[in-house]
Amino acid sequence: DTGVSQNPRHKITKRGQNVTFRCDPISEHNRLYWYRQTLGQGPEFLTYFQNEAQLEKSRLLSDRFSAERPKGSFSTLEIQRTEQGDSAMYLCASSERQMYGYTFGSGTRLTVV
Amino acid sequence: AQSVSQHNHHVILSEAASLELGCNYSYGGTVNLFWYVQYPGQHLQLLLKYFSGDPLVKGIKGFEAEFIKSKFSFNLRKPSVQWSDTAEYFCAVMPAADKLIFGTGTRLQVFP
Repeated sequence: DTGVSQNPRHKITKRGQNVTFRCDPISEHNRLYWYRQTLGQGPEFLTYFQNEAQLEKSRLLSDRFSAERPKGSFSTLEIQRTEQGDSAMYLCASSERQMYGYTFGSGTRLTVV
Repeated sequence: AQSVSQHNHHVILSEAASLELGCNYSYGGTVNLFWYVQYPGQHLQLLLKYFSGDPLVKGIKGFEAEFIKSKFSFNLRKPSVQWSDTAEYFCAVMPAADKLIFGTGTRLQVFP
């Protein structure tokens, strides 16, 4: 058990459908991060929250992507009108302080068919 | 742009061989440095980290890394690898008060 929980573990969706992923961070961690990882690449930063505030969004995060962290606890990442290029592993991580490094969840693998 | 380079994409070793994985970064300011490992089917786990002080950092499972500021490098080493070290290894950089930036990873295969 990593402490960071992500659901679902796998998601297969048809192109054009909307999907939503959930991340439950370690409870005492106030920072929460979303990354995307494709085959043969390292994780790429998407966005991060400090408590409920979304402090930074990557240019990778198009208008079809939205993330929320209501009440500074769990977070959701929604992708609207999915495209085949959205197929990837979506990783969530949390930290108490940035310099301590992050604790990652197991990820949600999205396949768009 | 800030970036992390891992030059070895795929490394194949026999058990008991020594390991060194290269990592170079492009950032002129203060950075925190990390190595993460991802075993097959598992999540990313922190191997070791460097913030300041002794440039030789020891991590879990016998791994160590050396920060060489003049070379912008943070290479990972292990004197004697085991089959269980088979995994993907990611170097990551955190410029001060910023997010983690990962390299593309090195896939290590260790054969008995």
